[in-house]
Formats: sequence, C-alpha cells, structure tokens
Amino acid sequence: DAMVIQNPRYQVTQFGKPVTLSCSQTLNHNVMYWYQQKSSQAPKLLFHYYDKDFNNEADTPDNFQSRRPNTSFCFLDIRSPGLGDAAMYLCATSRVGQGRDGYTFGSGTRLTVV
Amino acid sequence: TQLLEQSPQFLSIQEGENLTVYCNSSSVFSSLQWYRQEPGEGPVLLVTVVTGGEVKKLKRLTFQFGDARKDSSLHITAAQPGDTGLYLCAGFNYGGATNKLIFGTGTLLAVQP
Repeated sequence: DAMVIQNPRYQVTQFGKPVTLSCSQTLNHNVMYWYQQKSSQAPKLLFHYYDKDFNNEADTPDNFQSRRPNTSFCFLDIRSPGLGDAAMYLCATSRVGQGRDGYTFGSGTRLTVV
Repeated sequence: TQLLEQSPQFLSIQEGENLTVYCNSSSVFSSLQWYRQEPGEGPVLLVTVVTGGEVKKLKRLTFQFGDARKDSSLHITAAQPGDTGLYLCAGFNYGGATNKLIFGTGTLLAVQP
C-alpha cells in the first residue's frame, strides 16, 4: 500500500545532541510537511516542501532544519535539542491542487530529550 | 490569521452515548476536513466537506458544513470505545501554491466501556 513511513517510531536523544528524523513516501506527492505535536494538542506546522522549494513557518525556531534530497524522502534535523523540543513529530504529504484528498500522515516519531 | 476553535476541548462519555463536536471560525474556508488521531499514531482523514450546508455520513459519524462555510460539526451516535481519540478539524482554501491546512484546536474524546 502507498503510504508515509517515519523512522524511527521512538527516538531518545541527549540535550544538545543533534538528531535527525526521517520520512519517506510512496505516494509520489509533491508536497511534504513536518509538524510538531505536543500532548494531545493540534499539530503545529514547522515547514513544508513544494517539490524542492522550502517554505519555513515564521515562528519555527532556527534550531529546526529540513532537507528533501528527492521526491520520496524528507528529513527533519534538530541541531541542538532542548527539553522543550520533546514532542511527537509528524510527517505528512499531499498533492498540489488536490486539497480535497486531504493529507496523508505518517505514524510519527516520538522524541524524548534527556 | 485564520483560526479554528473546537469545543469541547475534552469529552469523556460512556459507551452508547451520543456526542457532538463543534469547529468554529470567523473565516470562510473552501473546504473543511475532519481527522481522527489515535494515541501514538498520526491523524487519519475521516471526511472532507466542500459545499455550504453539506451533510456527510460515515457509519455512526455525521459531519455537517455550515451554510456560510465557517463552521462544522461532527456528531457521533452510540459512541464506542474504538471512537476514542483526538478529533481535529482542518480548514483549507484553494488558490494558494500549496495545500496548507489550518488545524483546529482539537477535541480529545474518551469513550468508557
């Protein structure tokens, strides 16, 4: 089945130690999104890629970066994780102009910072 | 800034009860989507409503889009423990370069057996 896969499902990192989360998709969607979600709150958009064009949200901290080497893969890099960055990180995809189809989300990566 | 407020924020009910979740905004949306998120998983799309006044049914779930396309409701009949999760509405506007959804504040539902 076509899907969005996030690895790992659970990640424990040390305070200040860089960490990378990955997302892959088999849907051939041209837009990929990264969201941060804390404790039963709504997901908060960090940034998204429209093909190779990177779009950062105004309030996304500089500590968060992203890479999209090809259509299928997208990475979230946290350069110096703080305790406040502990959260669920969700990757999602969509097709431009097909908003009615909704987003397809991965299962998320639960990040713990110790 | 477009905002979507959901109410209630939390809801704990017994199996078999009915419930309604509301999603309200002062902004007009081209369409509105509802997602359900189970613990430890990503949100899953339940439905998209597009036309003002539209009503869609998905088994025991009934979704309605307000006439002015500013609000929506989700009604669950005879709730079951499997309905437990975080319900998110999300508004969408066509015409932009990308499909950027505006998520609501969320409603956490717990259905007790």
